[in-house]
Amino acid sequence: GENVEQHPSTLSVQEGDSAVIKCTYSDSASNYFPWYKQELGKRPQLIIDIRSNVGEKKDQRIAVTLNKTAKHFSLHITETQPEDSAVYFCAASLGGGADGLTFGKGTHLIIQP
Amino acid sequence: GAGVSQSPRYKVAKRGQDVALRCDPISGHVSLFWYQQALGQGPEFLTYFQNEAQLDKSGLPSDRFFAERPEGSVSTLKIQRTQQEDSAVYLCASSAREKGGELFFGEGSRLTVL
Repeated sequence: GENVEQHPSTLSVQEGDSAVIKCTYSDSASNYFPWYKQELGKRPQLIIDIRSNVGEKKDQRIAVTLNKTAKHFSLHITETQPEDSAVYFCAASLGGGADGLTFGKGTHLIIQP
Repeated sequence: GAGVSQSPRYKVAKRGQDVALRCDPISGHVSLFWYQQALGQGPEFLTYFQNEAQLDKSGLPSDRFFAERPEGSVSTLKIQRTQQEDSAVYLCASSAREKGGELFFGEGSRLTVL
């Protein structure tokens, strides 16, 4: 089955700086890569996703890049703000969609004032 | 409804008890998923329904776990003879499409087995 590795497990950055979270996946057939944000005690919420026919996608301060050859994808958050503090999960799916998502173990992002 | 609703939000069970966790997906959503999230970990897939059909139950950790969605809407995850290792947050999620749809999660049911 698919295996998703996520790094780092904890990331602390100064407010206003950029944050980068990286994930690798094992199955080259995976073709859908969403990122979820989970605040303490809350539900995971989709923040951005990318499909295998696209190398990069951007939405305001958030961007995701995908390198299919290397089987890794990354989340980039620019101009970080206190409300960005949360746990971020990457995921990969073989089905091209929501079914069969395999999640990484999460990155606890801490924004220092 | 406005979102995915799960109940109970918190459940404390004694080891050996049976528990039932309920999920009300977003109205009209075809796909429904159950995930198990241990403390400090990512969600782990348990099972998937497309309407009333359980298409994938490969993630259920043992035969003590059972899920159903008899009318293609509300789903129940049942855990029999609970063990301490079952303690986790159980997340339900639904999607409007069979494939390629965004996953909407509920707030989860936190199960603590004493």
